[in-house]
Amino acid sequence: KAGVTQTPRYLIKTRGQQVTLSCSPISGHRSVSWYQQTPGQGLQFLFEYFSETQRNKGNFPGRFSGRQFSNSRSEMNVSTLELGDSALYLCASSLALTSTDTQYFGPGTRLTVL
Amino acid sequence: AQSVTQLDSHVSVSEGTPVLLRCNYSSSYSPSLFWYVQHPNKGLQLLLKYTSAATLVKGINGFEAEFKKSETSFHLTKPSAHMSDAAEYFCVVNPSSGSARQLTFGSGTQLTVLP
Repeated sequence: KAGVTQTPRYLIKTRGQQVTLSCSPISGHRSVSWYQQTPGQGLQFLFEYFSETQRNKGNFPGRFSGRQFSNSRSEMNVSTLELGDSALYLCASSLALTSTDTQYFGPGTRLTVL
Repeated sequence: AQSVTQLDSHVSVSEGTPVLLRCNYSSSYSPSLFWYVQHPNKGLQLLLKYTSAATLVKGINGFEAEFKKSETSFHLTKPSAHMSDAAEYFCVVNPSSGSARQLTFGSGTQLTVLP
């Protein structure tokens, strides 16, 4: 079974631009979560989607948004990019929303903002 | 509220010697606990998870962890380190109650394995 895939793997943008990252979950998984990883802040939760609905959101500004499609694929968007948005963005999928469900991570998208 | 503290940011061991990566947690509910490993330029891979069944949890690649509620700890161990174990390890907590299902990550422990 294929794992979680994320595209693109690497991205370079300039300040003020916007960016869209894509995540395809493991087949049959309905929950997709997004995380930001930076050297200074570590891994931080962005948001979680289940059945096309945002179920939970971390403490990030409104410039960070996401959505989930009927096939469970998810996208996240960051508008008006700032230098501090440079990070590895990780997507994780799981079967459902229970706390015991394992979240399986993709390889991440490395975003660099110049 | 929940939190995770990984007590060592860096651990260095010789190949063939035991590994101990320490993790303490705080959670308002009986949590689910996980250890993930991240190799350079890769995503996170699940090593093992605790979900209120057996307190001693066995994972992949010879790793295991013991849940100790009285000490609020979930330390990761391996009897004999291998060069391929060199990576960053994250202890993670997930509350088992309420709608706030989100992973809280520790700050990570970088494991170096010396030949």
